[in-house]
Amino acid sequence: DVKVTQSSRYLVKRTGEKVFLECVQDMDHENMFWYRQDPGLGLRLIYFSYDVKMKEKGDIPEGYSVSREKKERFSLILESASTNQTSMYLCASNLGQGTTEAFFGQGTRLTVV
Amino acid sequence: ILNVEQSPQSLHVQEGDSTNFTCSFPSSNFYALHWYRWETAKSPEALFVMTLNGDEKKKGRISATLNTKEGYSYLYIKGSQPEDSATYLCAFIDYGQNFVFGPGTRLSVLP
Repeated sequence: DVKVTQSSRYLVKRTGEKVFLECVQDMDHENMFWYRQDPGLGLRLIYFSYDVKMKEKGDIPEGYSVSREKKERFSLILESASTNQTSMYLCASNLGQGTTEAFFGQGTRLTVV
Repeated sequence: ILNVEQSPQSLHVQEGDSTNFTCSFPSSNFYALHWYRWETAKSPEALFVMTLNGDEKKKGRISATLNTKEGYSYLYIKGSQPEDSATYLCAFIDYGQNFVFGPGTRLSVLP
């Protein structure tokens, strides 16, 4: 059974804190993605990675960075958390081609206070 | 920024009704179109992956069609059941492997 696991289901952090969201997949997928989901806006791409140490900015990368040191792990970093980064964050992975489906983690609901 | 639209934003139907909704996407640089179902408190799960103009896919009571020339896809649900209640997302994939999701259609099926 394929699996994408996000490290936390719920997180509460203070403004200005550095926040790490971790995502691990066990399917040997090349591509990994970080999205945020806000009401009425759907899933918006923050960053994606198509290989170890490779990354591409998505539509809303400002205030975020990513790290992919190993193929199975893709981390999203909020350098200095702000209240407008309160959101649901979803990690996904796929085999490396657009013709294969993406598999999603369970989501992390982050609240920045 | 690629624009992917879905309509309607939300839909309420009675059990047994058939329904359909639309995904609109850029007709250029098309590589693939995905449909996902996202139930509350769960992760999105893939329904269909479509690549060819004129593609039709079917899974049980759910089917989808694809028109890449005019940039739209329809998702149909025949005889809706309460367990079909979910948000349905489409994703447009271009040659750069960007996955761009639409905002989703939230379906509620009333018993």
